[in-house]
Amino acid sequence: NAGVTQTPKFQVLKTGQSMTLQCAQDMNHEYMSWYRQDPGMGLRLIHYSVGAGITDQGEVPNGYNVSRSTTEDFPLRLLSAAPSQTSVYFCASSHPGSGANVLTFGAGSRLTVL
Amino acid sequence: AQKVTQAQTEISVVEKEDVTLDCVYETRDTTYYLFWYKQPPSGELVFLIRRNSFDEQNEISGRYSWNFQKSTSSFNFTITASQVVDSAVYFCALSVGDMRFGAGTRLTVKP
Repeated sequence: NAGVTQTPKFQVLKTGQSMTLQCAQDMNHEYMSWYRQDPGMGLRLIHYSVGAGITDQGEVPNGYNVSRSTTEDFPLRLLSAAPSQTSVYFCASSHPGSGANVLTFGAGSRLTVL
Repeated sequence: AQKVTQAQTEISVVEKEDVTLDCVYETRDTTYYLFWYKQPPSGELVFLIRRNSFDEQNEISGRYSWNFQKSTSSFNFTITASQVVDSAVYFCALSVGDMRFGAGTRLTVKP
C-alpha cells in the first residue's frame, strides 16, 4: 500500500515555464488537496477536491490549476511559473466526511523557480 | 473565516524538560475539528491527534497530552520529559470542511 505518491520530489524551473506536479493515492480516498509550505507560514491550502470531477479553490489558488478526472489522481499545474511559487508542495488525501478527516500526506515536492 | 495561531515560532529546551506548544483558533462554526501534526527533520507530516468541538476531554498518550478549552479557543500540546527525537516542527490545524494550518512551532530538544 503506497499511500500518497508525489512526483517529482525535486524540480527547478525558469520563470515562465510550465509544469505539473503529480499526486496519486491508492486508498480510494474521495478527498484530495494540495498545500504549499513556506517558512513561517505553515501549510496553505491551494486547491482541493471532494471527488472525481469536483474541484474548489483554497486560500492561495492563484497561479495554479487542478483537475480530478479519476479518484486516484489529482495533478497540480503551474501554467507560468513565478519565483513566488518556490515552495515545498504537499498533496494529501482522506476519506470523505464533514471535516473530521485525518489527512494522509505525500512526501512533498520541492520546487525552485529561478 | 477560519484561523489558527501558533504564536511560538521556535522553542528550545533541554532533554527531560516539559514543554507546551500553544494553539489558538478562530471559527464561527459550532462543529469543527482540531488536529496536531508533527513534521520531523525528514520532512514528512505525521498525524498526532484529532479532537472534535464537542469533546473537551483532555487526552494523554504516553508523554504527549492535549488540553482543549473552548472558552479560550485553545488546543495546547504538552510534551512531558522531552527527548531529542521530539525535535520537529509541530502544526496545529482546524477543519471545517477543509483543513487550515497554523504557521507551526519549531521545537528543538538539546541533549
